[in-house]
Amino acid sequence: RKEVEQDPGPFNVPEGATVAFNCTYSNSASQSFFWYRQDCRKEPKLLMSVYSSGNEDGRFTAQLNRASQYISLLIRDSKLSDSATYLCVVNLITDSWGKLQFGAGTQVVVTP
Amino acid sequence: DAGITQSPRYKITETGRQVTLMCHQTWSHSYMFWYRQDLGHGLRLIYYSAAADITDKGEVPDGYVVSRSKTENFPLTLESATRSQTSVYFCASSEPGQPTGAEQFFGPGTRLTVL
Repeated sequence: RKEVEQDPGPFNVPEGATVAFNCTYSNSASQSFFWYRQDCRKEPKLLMSVYSSGNEDGRFTAQLNRASQYISLLIRDSKLSDSATYLCVVNLITDSWGKLQFGAGTQVVVTP
Repeated sequence: DAGITQSPRYKITETGRQVTLMCHQTWSHSYMFWYRQDLGHGLRLIYYSAAADITDKGEVPDGYVVSRSKTENFPLTLESATRSQTSVYFCASSEPGQPTGAEQFFGPGTRLTVL
């Protein structure tokens, strides 16, 4: 079983619509959670951290559910520029300092 | 320019050849990482380094060698390339002083094809 699992998609979303997707992680001792964004054939970049209480950054909302071991990302008012692959990332601090576990990504395609 | 760079950006080689991928960062980041990314897999950690002369294995280290004689450089060597090492390789670094769950900054990647 993979440490971090994501629906690969693609999620096809009309411009202006809302899209949400989850990521599950297997290790209950995981401490830190992130969403990275990766554009086609480019390097991943941090989109946002995920806090226990949930957090928003503009049109993006991230939630953490420790009991069910998943995190979610919701994108409101989708823009064409939101088309990308979203990587779920988990850090097991008790394992090592900066080692991150990456999911394989969820592809989002925003259409006009 | 400041940042993290990788070279070459594209490389085609043959089975059995030695290949070295370069990574250079201009920040004073102590931590550096090498990942490979393949379809259907997330980024998988090959090796990482906490500081100059300190390196350790990640999830998929077999067939790779790293060194870190200077803080800013972290080359990755494929000692005898195999077709299964065809992949996109990303180098990353992270900010010292925030080791746990720190943001990692990635280079643009090297696309390696082993024939």
